[in-house]
Amino acid sequence: EVQLVESGGGLVQPGGSLRLSCAASGFTFSIYWMSWVRQAPGKGLEWVANINKDGSKKFYVDSVKGRFTISRDNAKNSVVLQMDSLRAEDTALYYCARRTSGDYWGQGTLVTVSS
Amino acid sequence: QSVLTQPPSVSAAPGQKVTISCSGSTSNIGNNDVFWYQQLPGSAPKLLIYENNKGLSGIPDRFSGSKSGTSATLGITGLQTGDEADYYCGAWDSDLSIYVFGIGTKVTVL
Repeated sequence: EVQLVESGGGLVQPGGSLRLSCAASGFTFSIYWMSWVRQAPGKGLEWVANINKDGSKKFYVDSVKGRFTISRDNAKNSVVLQMDSLRAEDTALYYCARRTSGDYWGQGTLVTVSS
Repeated sequence: QSVLTQPPSVSAAPGQKVTISCSGSTSNIGNNDVFWYQQLPGSAPKLLIYENNKGLSGIPDRFSGSKSGTSATLGITGLQTGDEADYYCGAWDSDLSIYVFGIGTKVTVL
């Protein structure tokens, strides 16, 4: 059974940092692109970033470029989203998803940016 | 403002059919596959339709997808109260090099 479990969310002040992790199981992690998608409270889905199978290619939505970094560890079956210079508008539920198109999703981890 | 345009809401009585449109451009829907997601209240999104018209294993065949040019459509027949959810379309945008979602359509069963 495919499982994706996010962790690392929490309350952070504007300008702060958080590191989100996604632990994957139930599939051969190293052969799939992985993505992060977020959803602000009461709003729609916003794709944030993805990473290819070996970590050599990464794409980001403009609003997070230069502030967020996606990475992966195929030995540990995990994908990480390092979030720096956080802003209030980054407040959202962050989902980890398999593939760019998201054929499987985790349950999300909540990030709140507030003073 | 989303790159993909969806109606904010649609509604119909139980047993009826609804269709949800998703309009884009040549850089996304026109040249890339469309995916459809269902998000039940309080839950994570779930993929329903992949590659324009293929239903994921376990998804009832009441759900169907189609694509023509720069537009795509999700159809739900035999509407049930359990189908009340937000539905999103998504596609890769080759010009922006990002994945884009529609704003989401709320389906209400009257």
